[in-house]
Amino acid sequence: QSVLTQPPSASGTPGQRVTISCSGSSSNIGSNSVYWYQQLPGSAPKLLIYRNNQRPSGVPDRFSGSKSGASASLAISGLRSEDEADYYCAAWDDSLSGPVFGGGTKLTVL
Amino acid sequence: QVQLQESGPGLVKPSQTLSLTCTVSGGSISSGGYYWTWIRQPAGKGLEWIGRIYISGNTKYNRSLESRVTTSVDTSKNQFSLNLSSVTAADTAVYYCARAAVELGHGAFDIWGQGTMVTVSS
Repeated sequence: QSVLTQPPSASGTPGQRVTISCSGSSSNIGSNSVYWYQQLPGSAPKLLIYRNNQRPSGVPDRFSGSKSGASASLAISGLRSEDEADYYCAAWDDSLSGPVFGGGTKLTVL
Repeated sequence: QVQLQESGPGLVKPSQTLSLTCTVSGGSISSGGYYWTWIRQPAGKGLEWIGRIYISGNTKYNRSLESRVTTSVDTSKNQFSLNLSSVTAADTAVYYCARAAVELGHGAFDIWGQGTMVTVSS
């Protein structure tokens, strides 16, 4: 059972906007930054968002992150077929003294 | 650009020690500002942080694993390593090495290896 809670699945049609939620607690999201990763089938995860809403160089601005209290969201606008992947949130947990991940959300582009 | 590559046995017997190495290319492991990290993913499941090591030798491990985990850095070979002792079938997973950039915050793994599958079985 993961420390951070994500919905197991999400879906959308091409061009749509989809959001994926990530719920935590005061010891992780509530007091630390949130990170988002994209894992394409058969590949290693890729950093999509750091420090809640910052995009690394090369990540399209279709991807955006936000945080409120002990919850966070990843939004993907202008959905494309190549966005079909697993998405994971992560945050440092002060109680566990280490980073924790969500269980992952499988995004299907219909 | 910096690349990471895991190497090690794909099959380990129960109760033995799992040993993996991550080779860093395109950059020096001795440059500060990065935690060299291990993360694993059982088949069809989520990600689990195992631990990290800084070039100074400072380490931090997942509390659920710390009694069995050790990591080390070999600057002469530009490599860092993971040892996980007393393995069981529950340790079967894809093991990734990754770089965590301090400037991006705790939890920002900006470069990953391709991952290596390790199966624990007799």
